[in-house]
Amino acid sequence: DAGVIQSPRHEVTEMGQEVTLRCKPISGHDYLFWYRQTMMRGLELLIYFNNNVPIDDSGMPEDRFSAKMPNASFSTLKIQPSEPRDSAVYFCASTHRVDKNIQYFGAGTRLSVL
Amino acid sequence: GENVEQHPSTLSVQEGDSAVIKCTYSDSASNYFPWYKQELGKRPQLIIDIRSNVGEKKDQRIAVTLNKTAKHFSLHITETQPEDSAVYFCAARAGGFKTIFGAGTRLFVKA
Repeated sequence: DAGVIQSPRHEVTEMGQEVTLRCKPISGHDYLFWYRQTMMRGLELLIYFNNNVPIDDSGMPEDRFSAKMPNASFSTLKIQPSEPRDSAVYFCASTHRVDKNIQYFGAGTRLSVL
Repeated sequence: GENVEQHPSTLSVQEGDSAVIKCTYSDSASNYFPWYKQELGKRPQLIIDIRSNVGEKKDQRIAVTLNKTAKHFSLHITETQPEDSAVYFCAARAGGFKTIFGAGTRLFVKA
């Protein structure tokens, strides 16, 4: 397995534009997590899914952020409209309920909102 | 909600010295404490973890200790090497799958 795959690796956009980040979890994993990493706040959990259903979205900063998981192999995190303070590295991670202790992270998407 | 505090934010040591990173958590129901290492430009990876029924765990040059009464846990790296330079994150989980991470410690090991 290629691991958790995120795209794009880098995204540069202008304030007000819509941004969509994508994630493909490891095949067979039933939990998927979205994190945001900044220098000031470290790794923050935004939302996580179990079997494609959102379980806890309490970390989503505001209504401009939304996440979906239409099937077991794909998830998106959307920011609309984007703002400069959204600039960060966004990580997706997945795990399986049997071995839930290990979260496998993707390579991350570095987002810059100008 | 659950909160995890991590100190220091930056740590610089000489090669061969020990490094200690400390974390505290707020949710007394937390029972699992992983540590992740993130090298520059790379993804976080699990390096060691400890459960609440254990006070200490060791894996070669790294060890973790847990004090449930005080709600704090620590990472100890002995005989540090330049390749230990990275950002280290502590985390806590209280059942379920929601893991709360500390803000990270940037460790520099000077050769």
